[in-house]
Amino acid sequence: DAGVIQSPRHEVTEMGQEVTLRCKPISGHDYLFWYRQTMMRGLELLIYFNNNVPIDDSGMPEDRFSAKMPNASFSTLKIQPSEPRDSAVYFCASSPSVWEPQHFGDGTRLSIL
Amino acid sequence: AQTVTQSQPEMSVQEAETVTLSCTYDTSESDYYLFWYKQPPSRQMILVIRQEAYKQQNATENRFSVNFQKAAKSFSLKISDSQLGDAAMYFCALYTGANSKLTFGKGITLSVRP
Repeated sequence: DAGVIQSPRHEVTEMGQEVTLRCKPISGHDYLFWYRQTMMRGLELLIYFNNNVPIDDSGMPEDRFSAKMPNASFSTLKIQPSEPRDSAVYFCASSPSVWEPQHFGDGTRLSIL
Repeated sequence: AQTVTQSQPEMSVQEAETVTLSCTYDTSESDYYLFWYKQPPSRQMILVIRQEAYKQQNATENRFSVNFQKAAKSFSLKISDSQLGDAAMYFCALYTGANSKLTFGKGITLSVRP
């Protein structure tokens, strides 16, 4: 079975540009999670969806961040405008239910210059 | 609020030896799950082992086992017969249904000496 697929694997862009990160969850998983990992703050949950509906976005740092899940097989995390402090590894994860372990993608390493 | 604490930032073990990684947590919930995830240099987050709080028996997965002390809110990971491929960052994580969130510790970097 294919795991969680994230793209791109690496993204380098200049401050002020729009950044879009993409995620394809495992088929049949009803829950999708977006995390950010930094040295200073570790792994932080940004937002999660259940059946394509955002349930908790309290971890989204600012209005510059937005996430969508237009269907069960695709989600995006967008940063507009991007800032150097957004540089981090962003993970997407999915699970079949809240009580099942989350399966992580390989992450996107984002560098904002 | 729930918290996960991994107080040791780094550990080292000789190949073939046994090492224990510590984790403590805090939650007011009675029903929860605990996990250990491994993150090798490739950056993947790989589930190592899971423990349900209602189960008294400690979970085991091949060379990996946990020591779950519910009263003490302690959840340590024991790696037996350490292998070079075990070198990675290990994260302890807590999940409760109250807020449906997985809370991670800061992680511990494990190095394996040949």
